[in-house]
Amino acid sequence: QVHLVQSGAEVKKPGASVKVSCKASGYTFTSYGINWVRQAPGQGLEWMGWISVHNGNTNYAQNLQGRVAMTTDTSTNTAYMELRSLTSDDTAVYYCARSCSGNSCYMIYWGQGTPVTVSS
Amino acid sequence: EIVLTQSPGTLSLSPGERATLSCRASQSLISSSLAWYQQKPGQAPRLLIFATSSRATGIPDRFSGSGSGTDFTLTISRLEPEDFAVYYCQQYGSSVGTFGQGTKVEIK
Repeated sequence: QVHLVQSGAEVKKPGASVKVSCKASGYTFTSYGINWVRQAPGQGLEWMGWISVHNGNTNYAQNLQGRVAMTTDTSTNTAYMELRSLTSDDTAVYYCARSCSGNSCYMIYWGQGTPVTVSS
Repeated sequence: EIVLTQSPGTLSLSPGERATLSCRASQSLISSSLAWYQQKPGQAPRLLIFATSSRATGIPDRFSGSGSGTDFTLTISRLEPEDFAVYYCQQYGSSVGTFGQGTKVEIK
């Protein structure tokens, strides 16, 4: 069965970077894209972006352009999301989720979420 | 970027009642590319509906989706106790995906 296992909670200072990992199993990693979604405390879901595992193409939310980078390592079936220049507004739970296909689309399988706290 | 607006913000209903949730897009969606998710506190979202009206595997038939163009609806025919949660719509037809702000279905 499909599993997405994310790295553990992070605490960062403003201005720092964070890199969250998402290890996939139970399917052919290169056949599906990976989306990243975040949720600030008490707030709704925010789509951050998507990466094609097949060719590395990415699409990012406009408000994160220039600060976010999504990558994959097909040798370990792991996707990564790095967010730079953190502020308190980036405090959230970060989820990876598998796309329905190689393209960006709906998400059936989700990781357990990685809490990231940005605080001085 | 396509903006999705959900209404109402909160729906207060009793078990057994019908719930009707709305999601309006700022522009017409390509190929009815709209999904609905359910989220309970402390859990990851769960896919309910994709392609406007197709139920995901294992989703009870009391959940149904409809709509086209810019107006979409999620209907829960008879609310069960486990259905009280927050519901989000998501469009995936453009290169940049977006979620609505959510509708909370609470027990009246």
